[in-house]
Amino acid sequence: DADVTQTPRNRITKTGKRIMLECSQTKGHDRMYWYRQDPGLGLRLIYYSFDVKDINKGEISDGYSVSRQAQAKFSLSLESAIPNQTALYFCATSDRLVRDTQYFGPGTRLTVL
Amino acid sequence: GQQVMQIPQYQHVQEGEDFTTYCNSSTTLSNIQWYKQRPGGHPVFLIQLVKSGEVKKQKRLTFQFGEAKKNSSLHITATQTTDVGTYFCAAHHSGGSNYKLTFGKGTLLTVNP
Repeated sequence: DADVTQTPRNRITKTGKRIMLECSQTKGHDRMYWYRQDPGLGLRLIYYSFDVKDINKGEISDGYSVSRQAQAKFSLSLESAIPNQTALYFCATSDRLVRDTQYFGPGTRLTVL
Repeated sequence: GQQVMQIPQYQHVQEGEDFTTYCNSSTTLSNIQWYKQRPGGHPVFLIQLVKSGEVKKQKRLTFQFGEAKKNSSLHITATQTTDVGTYFCAAHHSGGSNYKLTFGKGTLLTVNP
């Protein structure tokens, strides 16, 4: 959905570099999520945030950190990128009033060399 | 952790054939959602099922939620090339966190014209 945007869309970086992926939404949702997608592994939750002051680890948070700068912005950081963090990263938002139906951004394809 | 098992992982059909993907859980589900991801795209919400035994239809797509609320299926009648993509189920488990969805690993559908 155009209501959820991610930058950059593609990024190639080297091992050890710090990387930030950004997500913005205009849907007015309080809840935001970061997922990574790897072939055959589906979507795995990295972090989620239910409001600006609430941030929670997902199932694969090691090596990642997040910042919820505002209701509309949720960024994901890789402090020291490693090759096995090469993946497709999706940001998503949801509205708890409709049982958290997820609205995904277009994704960021990250390659760590 | 709570998991949703989705099968098959891959399915290749001839155009016009039917297709079904299944999701199963060992514990009761509060609800189940289905998403479609076109090649190169992001997951897009299709539908949500909440009630035991619920059946919903969207044109050639039929979605079912099991009587015990532990399984669900998506059936496509007479597939078309536009049906190509990965289909994911996602569910909230009853009694657990009612905020975070668990995604199945997805079924990749390819259609031979």
